[in-house]
Amino acid sequence: DGGITQSPKYLFRKEGQNVTLSCEQNLNHDAMYWYRQDPGQGLRLIYYSQIVNDFQKGDIAEGYSVSREKKESFPLTVTSAQKNPTAFYLCASSIRSTDSNQPQHFGDGTRLSIL
Amino acid sequence: AQKITQTQPGMFVQEKEAVTLDCTYDTSDPSYGLFWYKQPSSGEMIFLIYQGSYDQQNATEGRYSLNFQKARKSANLVISASQLGDSAMYFCAMREAFGGGNTGKLIFGQGTTLQVKP
Repeated sequence: DGGITQSPKYLFRKEGQNVTLSCEQNLNHDAMYWYRQDPGQGLRLIYYSQIVNDFQKGDIAEGYSVSREKKESFPLTVTSAQKNPTAFYLCASSIRSTDSNQPQHFGDGTRLSIL
Repeated sequence: AQKITQTQPGMFVQEKEAVTLDCTYDTSDPSYGLFWYKQPSSGEMIFLIYQGSYDQQNATEGRYSLNFQKARKSANLVISASQLGDSAMYFCAMREAFGGGNTGKLIFGQGTTLQVKP
């Protein structure tokens, strides 16, 4: 089945530690996105990538980093500079980001907490 | 700036009845897309329905329909014949066409929690 796979489902971070959230898609989508969701809130864009080897900052990129070395993969690193990382992280992809009629399809998310 | 507003933090509906979830938006771009997503307690975001800014007819997908009033900048979701499995958080989102400084990202509202009563 085609889809987006995020791992792990739950992740715990220690003080001063970097952690990486995985996002893989087999939908052959060009564009990929990372969102953060805080309890009872909507989603906010962290980073997005429209094509391999290219990515752009979203609205809340500070304390995060990404890479896009392969079309299928868009990992997100939560660095120690992100002082409030506890949240639900969702990865999404779409066919082409230039088309406003294309929905974004989401993975099942990763819940990150601080130990 | 582009914005999505969902004014109903929580809604209740009796099973088998219809319910309308409100969404208003603000954009100066003539080309945009409006989406509704469902988020159950498990967390995944499920795409429900899409309406394009140039579409003449309201979108429908099974029990979901979108009441699109362009002049009012509203895109309300109507769920007919509610089921217990419809209990979830619902998000309205807007996507602008890429270009002219727009990134093509999705802008989400704060969401509405719907509870269906048996």
